[in-house]
Amino acid sequence: NAGVTQTPKFQVLKTGQSMTLQCAQDMNHEYMSWYRQDPGMGLRLIHYSVGAGITDQGEVPNGYNVSRSTTEDFPLRLLSAAPSQTSVYFCASTQTGVYGYTFGSGTRLTVV
Amino acid sequence: EDKVVQSPLSLVVHEGDTVTLNCSYEVTNFRSLLWYKQEKKAPTFLFMLTSSGIEKKSGRLSSILDKKELSSILNITATQTGDSAIYLCAGTGGTSYGKLTFGQGTILTVHP
Repeated sequence: NAGVTQTPKFQVLKTGQSMTLQCAQDMNHEYMSWYRQDPGMGLRLIHYSVGAGITDQGEVPNGYNVSRSTTEDFPLRLLSAAPSQTSVYFCASTQTGVYGYTFGSGTRLTVV
Repeated sequence: EDKVVQSPLSLVVHEGDTVTLNCSYEVTNFRSLLWYKQEKKAPTFLFMLTSSGIEKKSGRLSSILDKKELSSILNITATQTGDSAIYLCAGTGGTSYGKLTFGQGTILTVHP
C-alpha cells in the first residue's frame, strides 16, 4: 500500500516561478487536503476537497490553486512563487475521519 | 474562525517522567479531536476523540476529551527518549471531514 504519495520531496524555486506539487492516494479516500507547516505555527490548511470536482479554501489559500479531477489526485499549484511560501507542505487524506488522516511525507520548498 | 491552542509550547523532561500535554479548541459544530506525533517527517496518528470522558489508551499514551471545557489532554507515562517529538492536536467540525484545524504543537524533549 503506497498510502499518500507526494512529489517532489525537495524543491528550490526562484521568485516568480510557478510549479505544481503532486499528491496521490490509493486508498479511495473521499477527502483530501493541503497544509503548510512553518516553525511555531503548527499546520495551516491551504485548500481541501470533499470529492472529485469539489474544492474549497482553507485558512491560507492566497497564492495557491488546486483542482480535483479524479479521486486519487489533488495537485497544489503555486502560481508565482514568493519567499513567504518557503515551507514544508503536507498532503493528507481520509475517508470519514474515523481512522484519522493519512499524511504524505511532505515537500520541502524553498523560494529564493 | 476555528481555533486550537496547545500548551505548553515546549517541554523538557527526563526519561521516566510523566507528562501532560494540553489542547483547547473552539471549533464550530465540533466533530472530533485528533492527536498526532510528528518526528522528522509526516505526522502519525495517535488518537481520535469524539465522546467526552472516555479515555483512549495505547501503551504508555492516553488521551481524554472534555467537551464541557472544550479541551483535551494527552498523557505520556514513563517517558522514553523515543517519545521526543512534536505533538499536534487538531479539531474537525462543520459538515466536512476535509478540514483539520491544528494547534501550534508541543515540542517534547526527553533526555536520558
